[in-house]
Amino acid sequence: AQSVTQLGSHVSVSEGALVLLRCNYSSSVPPYLFWYVQYPNQGLQLLLKYTSAATLVKGINGFEAEFKKSETSFHLTKPSAHMSDAAEYFCAVSDSGTSYGKLTFGQGTILTVHP
Amino acid sequence: ETGVTQTPRHLVMGMTNKKSLKCEQHLGHNAMYWYKQSAKKPLELMFVYNFKEQTENNSVPSRFSPECPNSSHLFLHLHTLQPEDSALYLCASSHQAGGPNEQFFGPGTRLTVL
Repeated sequence: AQSVTQLGSHVSVSEGALVLLRCNYSSSVPPYLFWYVQYPNQGLQLLLKYTSAATLVKGINGFEAEFKKSETSFHLTKPSAHMSDAAEYFCAVSDSGTSYGKLTFGQGTILTVHP
Repeated sequence: ETGVTQTPRHLVMGMTNKKSLKCEQHLGHNAMYWYKQSAKKPLELMFVYNFKEQTENNSVPSRFSPECPNSSHLFLHLHTLQPEDSALYLCASSHQAGGPNEQFFGPGTRLTVL
């Protein structure tokens, strides 16, 4: 069975500061990993995904994430936070087996950006 | 229309009502999904359709009944719901189900059951 743990349900940073959102996964087979963002009253939007190519993945809006197999982690980072980054972020895992469409999500991390 | 659309965006219903949620994708995808998003709980996958065939029913109560008449449309029929069913219901689609295929989400239907 696959699972995702996001450490910290709330993260608060100042504008211009580093953003670090933590995600650890568990999967019995090589995983595919995703980060999604959800703004208020909207659906989820894909930020980036890892599909076993480069371990450092760059996404939209200046975000990137690094896949570390030894640590079973896929933390999301952004060098400089912007007010518009305030949202809820979800890490998700999909295994490379035959679990059709079973994308397992973490509980989410709400990012607050202070001026 | 582009992407994934959902109607209605908001729905209030009594426990004895019957209503339906509609999802339409304009991306040429072959897989569609229903998720439930409740406060303080992770997103819960409810149903998966791949090439119009249901491939996953994640132990969803029978008061939720999905229908996928074609690859572009997905419905969720609701009847005799409970107050704990109040949530945001999200529809998503992907090229095919599973694996590295990213899912594209609609804006959701905010459901309130009185």
